[in-house]
Amino acid sequence: AQKVTQAQTEISVVEKEDVTLDCVYETRDTTYYLFWYKQPPSGELVFLIRRNSFDEQNEISGRYSWNFQKSTSSFNFTITASQVVDSAVYFCALSEMNRDDKIIFGKGTRLHILP
Amino acid sequence: GAGVSQSPRYKVAKRGQDVALRCDPISGHVSLFWYQQALGQGPEFLTYFQNEAQLDKSGLPSDRFFAERPEGSVSTLKIQRTQQEDSAVYLCASSRRGSANEKLFFGSGTQLSVL
Repeated sequence: AQKVTQAQTEISVVEKEDVTLDCVYETRDTTYYLFWYKQPPSGELVFLIRRNSFDEQNEISGRYSWNFQKSTSSFNFTITASQVVDSAVYFCALSEMNRDDKIIFGKGTRLHILP
Repeated sequence: GAGVSQSPRYKVAKRGQDVALRCDPISGHVSLFWYQQALGQGPEFLTYFQNEAQLDKSGLPSDRFFAERPEGSVSTLKIQRTQQEDSAVYLCASSRRGSANEKLFFGSGTQLSVL
């Protein structure tokens, strides 16, 4: 069965600190996709990244970076030099190749960046 | 339109009342998804359309929930005889092709409060 676990319910860091959001997933499929979405106070989820299960290469986009490790079924997200605008709820999500009709979301991590 | 539009933004209903929530996806997007997000939780899948066809409604919590997308664009989620446990944010998302394995574009949601 599909499952996404985000163990950190809430994190607070001071601006300019680095912060890592953890995500652990479960799936029986060998082909799947992993996502991160950001939900700011306005409510709409904003796509950040998609990785497929065959690409374990880490990715960096500006201050954001993602570490995908199949050996530990983890897909962690790091924000470097955090800013107040990074404050939001972040969701990790999983979809399976043979179930292309739904994404399973974790419960989210609420991130507070303190000025 | 430029993004996914949902209306109303807020809806207050008395228990037992019927409600209709509207979603206007990005023009030309094939797939449309409805999710329910309870307070402090991640989005939970409700139903999925590919054009006008409802291909998966396995997430609808009861037969009081009904969704349609008659012309393959605008979709309506209807909840009959609302109950307090229906209180949540209802999110609509669309994607360009017929799959949840790609980037989803979300609306800001309709926050439903059942009194």
